[in-house]
Amino acid sequence: GIQVEQSPPDLILQEGANSTLRCNFSDSVNNLQWFHQNPWGQLINLFYIPSGTKQNGRLSATTVATERYSLLYISSSQTTDSGVYFCAVESKSNYQLIWGAGTKLIIKP
Amino acid sequence: DADVTQTPRNRITKTGKRIMLECSQTKGHDRMYWYRQDPGLGLRLIYYSFDVKDINKGEISDGYSVSRQAQAKFSLSLESAIPNQTALYFCATSGTSGRTYEQYFGPGTRLTVT
Repeated sequence: GIQVEQSPPDLILQEGANSTLRCNFSDSVNNLQWFHQNPWGQLINLFYIPSGTKQNGRLSATTVATERYSLLYISSSQTTDSGVYFCAVESKSNYQLIWGAGTKLIIKP
Repeated sequence: DADVTQTPRNRITKTGKRIMLECSQTKGHDRMYWYRQDPGLGLRLIYYSFDVKDINKGEISDGYSVSRQAQAKFSLSLESAIPNQTALYFCATSGTSGRTYEQYFGPGTRLTVT
């Protein structure tokens, strides 16, 4: 099956710093989504991005489907950005979302 | 009101008991999903349903069953709970066109099996 690898697994930054999170996947997919899980466990969909670049405030994402990777950029980090960021890809064969293990981000004030 | 709700939010049960987790949505989506999350890991798909009459097994369906009572309701049952089913369980929904392919999650149910 499809393998989804996220890097780095952990990231600790000071408030105001910028960061780039990476998601690699092993086969072609229907789409890719980025999620944020806050420290209370709530999962929020950040981007639905099968290809190209999207921006939403301080966050942006780029997916290069032909090279099987996606990047999530967080600029001017705030403490509320802390949590775990997951990418998930939809399999072409059965439409299931396959999840990476996540990047745990801690933003220090 | 939340678009995707789950009940209960927390549950402690004993080995061998039958338990049902319920999910309701007001987003009007056809597709619904049940996932489990274990500490430090991503989500794994248990079951999914693309409409009321279409239910499919996911990656880890053994020990679980589901019922899609209506477009808006999807319940997950553990017929005989075991300790390694202790986890955080999420329900999610998605549509079938455009941006509605995005998955939206409920708040989760924290299940402990003793």
